[in-house]
Amino acid sequence: NAGVTQTPKFQVLKTGQSMTLQCAQDMNHEYMSWYRQDPGMGLRLIHYSVGAGITDQGEVPNGYNVSRSTTEDFPLRLLSAAPSQTSVYFCASSYWTGIGSYEQYFGPGTRLTVT
Amino acid sequence: KNEVEQSPQNLTAQEGEFITINCSYSVGISALHWLQQHPGGGIVSLFMLSSGKKKHGRLIATINIQEKHSSLHITASHPRDSAVYICAAVEDTDKLIFGTGTRLQVFP
Repeated sequence: NAGVTQTPKFQVLKTGQSMTLQCAQDMNHEYMSWYRQDPGMGLRLIHYSVGAGITDQGEVPNGYNVSRSTTEDFPLRLLSAAPSQTSVYFCASSYWTGIGSYEQYFGPGTRLTVT
Repeated sequence: KNEVEQSPQNLTAQEGEFITINCSYSVGISALHWLQQHPGGGIVSLFMLSSGKKKHGRLIATINIQEKHSSLHITASHPRDSAVYICAAVEDTDKLIFGTGTRLQVFP
């Protein structure tokens, strides 16, 4: 299994440009999520999905869109990049093994710089 | 909203020392997640616990639900344990509130 893969690993954008961060998992997990990690702050949830066709907003959704057309893929779209979106982005997939117990796997991250 | 606090923020140790990292949260949760972020940036799940204690190799995680507190212990620390350790309060399904992490450096 490849686990959770993310592309690209690095990206530099100009303000106003749009792009899509790709995320894929081959573990057939229902739950997938996108986080951003900024210096001095904990990981913050951007959007998440509980299954194909179902997405919801997390803590910091503004400026981002997601879709989940398949179980495997969960792309994150930046509509019009802003310097405040400079961050490291992590995709994760998880599944619940029982009440109060789940397993979560993270992708390697995408380091995005917006100039 | 749940507040998750970790202490200390930074920790240095000599190889072989016993390490303790603390995590406290403000609102009841269904579970507490400990993760390790390697210097290269990759994040690995270490433990998920909702009560008691779990052990994996030299790592031990404990949680006290009444006190809303969890600890991660590393016995016989080694330089390869150098990483950022993150705790996350699992509120519901896929909703996690992350702490800011504890940066650990273990010197030979």
